Amino acid sequence: DTAVSQTPKYLVTQMGNDKSIKCEQNLGHDTMYWYKQDSKKFLKIMFSYNNKELIINETVPNRFSPKSPDKAHLNLHINSLELGDSAVYFCASSRGTGMNTEAFFGQGTRLTVV
Amino acid sequence: AQSVTQPDIHITVSEGASLELRCNYSYGATPYLFWYVQSPGQGLQLLLKYFSGDTLVQGIKGFEAEFKRSQSSFNLRKPSVHWSDAAEYFCAVGPPTNDYKLSFGAGTTVTVRA
Repeated sequence: DTAVSQTPKYLVTQMGNDKSIKCEQNLGHDTMYWYKQDSKKFLKIMFSYNNKELIINETVPNRFSPKSPDKAHLNLHINSLELGDSAVYFCASSRGTGMNTEAFFGQGTRLTVV
Repeated sequence: AQSVTQPDIHITVSEGASLELRCNYSYGATPYLFWYVQSPGQGLQLLLKYFSGDTLVQGIKGFEAEFKRSQSSFNLRKPSVHWSDAAEYFCAVGPPTNDYKLSFGAGTTVTVRA
């Protein structure tokens, strides 16, 4: 069983479109994250949710809106997609928010905006 | 602000040879330190982590890392590389607080030749 699963794995879309990426974890964790990996492979945290509440928002444009319907899901909706949004987006989960815990990552969603 | 530097973008090593990946960090205090591996098409997997105590940390897959406070380094090593170790390796740091905000280095690509 996949611990953290993201769908879709690949997403190609045109500028201006709205798209969503779904993430689900079956580990019973209460904290979930979205990370963005740009073309230079830099990984940067975007959001973190703990028990469905937003705890980290790293100055991400308002076009990005995470939604956590329950502790096992954290979806990422992106409005008015721009070329610069092209990246690989990773979902992750962990037990708790302390640093002495391990984050489990999904396989990533490669988003290409054309 | 914390930052992570991985000086080597790409390393090629022969199967059976030893491997060392460098990681330097900049942070006001001793952060929590991590090494992640990303195999092609896969998510990130935690290899090992350092919080405190013994500065030589053992991880999975035969990897180890040594924390050197005086050099602000956390280098990853493996005595004998296997072809399956070909992957992208990321060093990451995080604040020792209840704020799971990892900062990643740019990654080092490891190629293993037969």
